[in-house]
Amino acid sequence: GDSVTQMEGPVTLSEEAFLTINCTYTATGYPSLFWYVQYPGEGLQLLLKATKADDKGSNKGFEATYRKETTSFHLEKGSVQVSDSAVYFCALPLPYNTDKLIFGTGTRLQVFP
Amino acid sequence: DSGVTQTPKHLITATGQRVTLRCSPRSGDLSVYWYQQSLDQGLQFLIQYYNGEERAKGNILERFSAQQFPDLHSELNLSSLELGDSALYFCASSASVGFNEQFFGPGTRLTVL
Repeated sequence: GDSVTQMEGPVTLSEEAFLTINCTYTATGYPSLFWYVQYPGEGLQLLLKATKADDKGSNKGFEATYRKETTSFHLEKGSVQVSDSAVYFCALPLPYNTDKLIFGTGTRLQVFP
Repeated sequence: DSGVTQTPKHLITATGQRVTLRCSPRSGDLSVYWYQQSLDQGLQFLIQYYNGEERAKGNILERFSAQQFPDLHSELNLSSLELGDSALYFCASSASVGFNEQFFGPGTRLTVL
């Protein structure tokens, strides 16, 4: 069935380091793909999304490209800040084009000064 | 601030008890979703309501029920509570159906002792 797989955390980086958090998916068709972020003590916020193959979603310096060939949607940021410390979730609607979201297990990012 | 409010923030109760979690969606949003976030199960979709009617069901136990009222607020009722029900319960809302961005509330942390 449809699923999302994320790299396990925690990911620990120094400020200004390059970030990649891997996400791969299994899905019927070509659903929209999402990255959500959960800051400590808060609910989830939509970080970025891509609605079709080769789309690049971007927000707050984060980017992710919808790769149909590799069924991936890896999250990247060129220079992380301490304020980026949070848990990041990759998600997709399940089944294809419904309102239900399935989430990856989440990847905790810790950025140190 | 997403505009979605949840009460209470924290709930501590005993096994076998019943609790009610409340959610007010963003102004104008017709769809409400409930999610459970636990350490062992991750973030899981429970149920969705749209304009007062149940629209989709996920991994919701029979001991759990929900409803959406005419003023569009929603309640999640959890009964015969077990230790394993301890989790963060999130409510989210979206404008309509057919996949729109979901806005998450800050969550209710339930602890069952």
